[in-house]
Amino acid sequence: DSGVTQTPKHLITATGQRVTLRCSPRSGDLSVYWYQQSLDQGLQFLIQYYNGEERAKGNILERFSAQQFPDLHSELNLSSLELGDSALYFCASSVGGNQETQYFGPGTRLLVL
Amino acid sequence: AQKVTQAQTEISVVEKEDVTLDCVYETRDTTYYLFWYKQPPSGELVFLIRRNSFDEQNEISGRYSWNFQKSTSSFNFTITASQVVDSAVYFCALSYPRGQKPKLIFGTGTRLQVFP
Repeated sequence: DSGVTQTPKHLITATGQRVTLRCSPRSGDLSVYWYQQSLDQGLQFLIQYYNGEERAKGNILERFSAQQFPDLHSELNLSSLELGDSALYFCASSVGGNQETQYFGPGTRLLVL
Repeated sequence: AQKVTQAQTEISVVEKEDVTLDCVYETRDTTYYLFWYKQPPSGELVFLIRRNSFDEQNEISGRYSWNFQKSTSSFNFTITASQVVDSAVYFCALSYPRGQKPKLIFGTGTRLQVFP
């Protein structure tokens, strides 16, 4: 158990819908990262937050957004969902914001029908 | 460009065999970190090791060992006396230097199947 929690574990929804994925980092970690794992794209970095502020952006679609709250938990919002958004979404956390080890949560498996 | 290549898509071994998973990386930076993660069938990503670019010492942890060679840009992972529980997908990853993005570049993974 990495200490990173993610909810829900599974999510099934329809195209065009909006969903919110939630992540709680390990105690003491200030950084939260979101990754998408799909069969065709592999593991791709989406976005990083550090102590409430956006720190880095990767291949995140405009339909996706995230935020980190004062209690350091983070939410990833996916809107106008398409079939291709079906994937495993991971949250990771680290103590700081640079090159420290990232510890991953169990992931949220999203299926868009 | 930064890149991680895991050329072995899938490896099958019989229990107690030794197996080496290859990882080759590309980066122009002199300061970087390399990682290995394990993804068992349950799906979570489990951290195994982090190595910085200035430390070329090999590392051993139980049945696991890692061989880092800057000269060949490789960071290979060996499991000695493999067990069925080692069956998983293993990912090698490279981290960007400070201030650049994205933070972790993953290889495509190597699926290891260990048969009893």
